[in-house]
Formats: sequence, C-alpha cells, structure tokens
Amino acid sequence: GESVGLHLPTLSVQEGDNSIINCAYSNSASDYFIWYKQESGKGPQFIIDIRSNMDKRQGQRVTVLLNKTVKHLSLQIAATQPGDSAVYFCAENTSKGQNFVFGPGTRLSVLP
Amino acid sequence: SQTIHQWPATLVQPVGSPLSLECTVEGTSNPNLYWYRQAAGRGLQLLFYSVGIGQISSEVPQNLSASRPQDRQFILSSKKLLLSDSGFYLCAWSQGQYNIQYFGAGTRLSVL
Repeated sequence: GESVGLHLPTLSVQEGDNSIINCAYSNSASDYFIWYKQESGKGPQFIIDIRSNMDKRQGQRVTVLLNKTVKHLSLQIAATQPGDSAVYFCAENTSKGQNFVFGPGTRLSVLP
Repeated sequence: SQTIHQWPATLVQPVGSPLSLECTVEGTSNPNLYWYRQAAGRGLQLLFYSVGIGQISSEVPQNLSASRPQDRQFILSSKKLLLSDSGFYLCAWSQGQYNIQYFGAGTRLSVL
C-alpha cells in the first residue's frame, strides 16, 4: 500500500544543475510506472510514464530510467529551474490493475 | 478534452459538523473515480474508488463515506467530522488500459 506515514525526503539542487530523484518500488509484477509533480497547494500532475518493456524514456528536460532487476525508478531533470520546485511522486501499477500504488514522494528545492 | 473539478478549494469546519465535497469530470464517460487524502508533507492515501455509478470500494476504515450518484460525479461525505479528518483531499479520474490518474486541484479541509 501507500507509504503515507513517512515525512518527505528532500533534495536540494542549485539552479541549472541536473536533478535525480529516486524511487524504489515493491511489486515485481508492476509493469507500468508514472512520475507526478505536485506543486504546493495543487493536485499532482502527470509528468512522464514508462512501460516495463523499456528502460529509458525521455521527455522535455526529463528522463525516466527503469531498472527492473533492482526494482528502481529514477527521474532526471536537466538544467533544474525554480519552477521545478515541487514534490515528486512515483506510482506503479500492473497493466491489469485498478489502482496505482504511490511512493512517499520527494521534495525538490531549487536553490538560486 | 477532459477536465476535473473539485470544490470548494478551502473549507473550515467545526468538529462534529457534516461534510460534503464534490468532484465532477467533464469530457469523458464511465471514468474510474478516486478520493485521496494527503496529510501535510506526506504521501497520498487512497480512501475510495469507484468503477461505476453506485459502485464504491473503500480502502481504509474511517469516518468518511463516498457516493457516486451520477456517472461523472463523486462525493465525499461525513456525518460528523473529527479533528483527524483535517487534510488535503484530492479527487482523481482514470480511464483506459493503464488507468493513468488525473487529479483535481484539491480541497484543503481544516477541522477545528
């Protein structure tokens, strides 16, 4: 289930640097993964997804890497900007699953 | 295109008072609908989900209930609020093979 009892880990990066946010997932049967971005006081927004038949997918300034062997997912943000400051959640599901399981989230703070 | 509406954005209620939060989706038919709660600085806790009118699944025992009186309407209710019901409530919808969830803007509930 969801890790709702944990305080958020925080990642601080300098503006212009690259950010890497990590996520460990638990279900070896999970075959579909999403990263969400949640700005303060708003609902989570879909950023990028990846299916288990891929190990890398790129979007605009974002890259998701999937390592099924160790059940690890990462989100890389290139040239981090102040507008990237937010909480980032990973979510896992199976292709036949009804509900996603969300990770605990990571707070990204971009330093000027 | 599909849109999701949640209201109100902010709500302050006394302990013991009733609650009704409403969520509606436009631009699609027969979506899956979800209610989540998010405590300050924490992850997402799935409260209820619905795959159709009148069909509600509860994920955690609690003081809240949900109803789906119409295809694209999802309501979160309580007869008597507790202090512990305070939090950020998010509605989401999904559809399709991978059930990507799209979230509303959320309602911040403070029970005093």
